[in-house]
Amino acid sequence: QGQLVQSGTEVKKPGSSVKVSCKTSGDTFKSYPFNWVRQAPGQGLEWLGGINPLFGTRHFAQAFQGRLTITADESTTTVYMELSSLRFDDTAVYYCARVRGFGCFDRWGQGTQVTVSS
Amino acid sequence: DIVMTQSPDSLAVSLGERATITCKSSQNLLNTLNKKNSLAWYQQKPGQPPKLLIHWASTRESGVPDRFSGSGSGTDFTLTINSLQAEDVAVYFCQQYYTTPLYTFGQGTKLHIK
Repeated sequence: QGQLVQSGTEVKKPGSSVKVSCKTSGDTFKSYPFNWVRQAPGQGLEWLGGINPLFGTRHFAQAFQGRLTITADESTTTVYMELSSLRFDDTAVYYCARVRGFGCFDRWGQGTQVTVSS
Repeated sequence: DIVMTQSPDSLAVSLGERATITCKSSQNLLNTLNKKNSLAWYQQKPGQPPKLLIHWASTRESGVPDRFSGSGSGTDFTLTINSLQAEDVAVYFCQQYYTTPLYTFGQGTKLHIK
């Protein structure tokens, strides 16, 4: 219950885009916001942005404004994160996470490795 | 943006001893509506996603052992692990949600066995 299942490993060229999916449990899809967090190799957690499927509202970290798109598909109860104009330093594990209450991340996907390489 | 700063970056503690990790916020995290601090702690083991341990600075998640405790208020917070077990080796992160729906994490503290 409340499980999040993400799409698989991606290898992309600099300047291209990547789209990662996060399949949610149908019964929770409109009950919680879903956010994206990334972790570069050996580094900490960096919040990217999120979406509330109930209201369709989105919020983004300043550093990713204009380069990050987050969408939600009600028919498949799946949330998507698309990052464009990829750079080498976008190489990271990308996690989707469910937000409970005022803002704790109580359920996490397994993570998706995105590697940017020429 | 609120900046979260953890210390130390790395910590070695003997089995059975106490581990203490601190997290300092650049702004007050006290929610004036409910008088609670908007601060969470996570544990991340190698190859796994983070796991929520504590929210509202001191409320343990269901199933989290009671050797884990959180304290603090305002800008200064502490995660304490009493009687350290081998399975507690992990990286620990604090996170503020005072500015929800915008969030920031601390840089992490790596805990290992002395």
